Amino acid sequence: GAGVSQSPRYKVAKRGQDVALRCDPISGHVSLFWYQQALGQGPEFLTYFQNEAQLDKSGLPSDRFFAERPEGSVSTLKIQRTQQEDSAVYLCASSLVGVSNQPQHFGDGTRLSIL
Amino acid sequence: ELKVEQNPLFLSMQEGKNYTIYCNYSTTSDRLYWYRQDPGKSLESLFVLLSNGAVKQEGRLMASLDTKARLSTLHITAAVHDLSATYFCAVDIDATNKLIFGTGTLLAVQP
Repeated sequence: GAGVSQSPRYKVAKRGQDVALRCDPISGHVSLFWYQQALGQGPEFLTYFQNEAQLDKSGLPSDRFFAERPEGSVSTLKIQRTQQEDSAVYLCASSLVGVSNQPQHFGDGTRLSIL
Repeated sequence: ELKVEQNPLFLSMQEGKNYTIYCNYSTTSDRLYWYRQDPGKSLESLFVLLSNGAVKQEGRLMASLDTKARLSTLHITAAVHDLSATYFCAVDIDATNKLIFGTGTLLAVQP
């Protein structure tokens, strides 16, 4: 079956440009998460949606980061005026809600490089 | 602030040997997850541990959870090269659905 799909797989941008990263979760998964993974580190939580509602955005590093999920399915993570420190792999995950024994399922990520 | 620490950070072991990876966390939680990540790939779920004393096994891997000690272990039995990867534990604080990941353990199994 289809897993979590992210696009693009790789993105190179110049410092100061805006980027948009897309996540298509597993069908039927109500919860959607974004994580940032720096090289050699574990993923760090950015934000969490339940359907279209953004319930937690405490991990977003600055107001340059914005995430949306307008119809409760596909989500977009937008980074404005990118900086070199934004270079990382951005992972999206989805899960069922209310089912405690189910893990979050991760996509392959978008590797973002800021020049 | 919650901290999740793994030990060791890097493990080189020979095929056929046994070893244990440790995951310590600093606050109360009864939901712990283990993931595997191959280079350039995403995270693959290995185990979901939801209560004190939980033990789960899949093939050569066995995971356990001691919530009182705030410790989880991932035991590798008779390692094979295919197990080479980075292993992460992750803690869900108070069922917030926000996972806090450990530092990761890079496992290299030598033939």
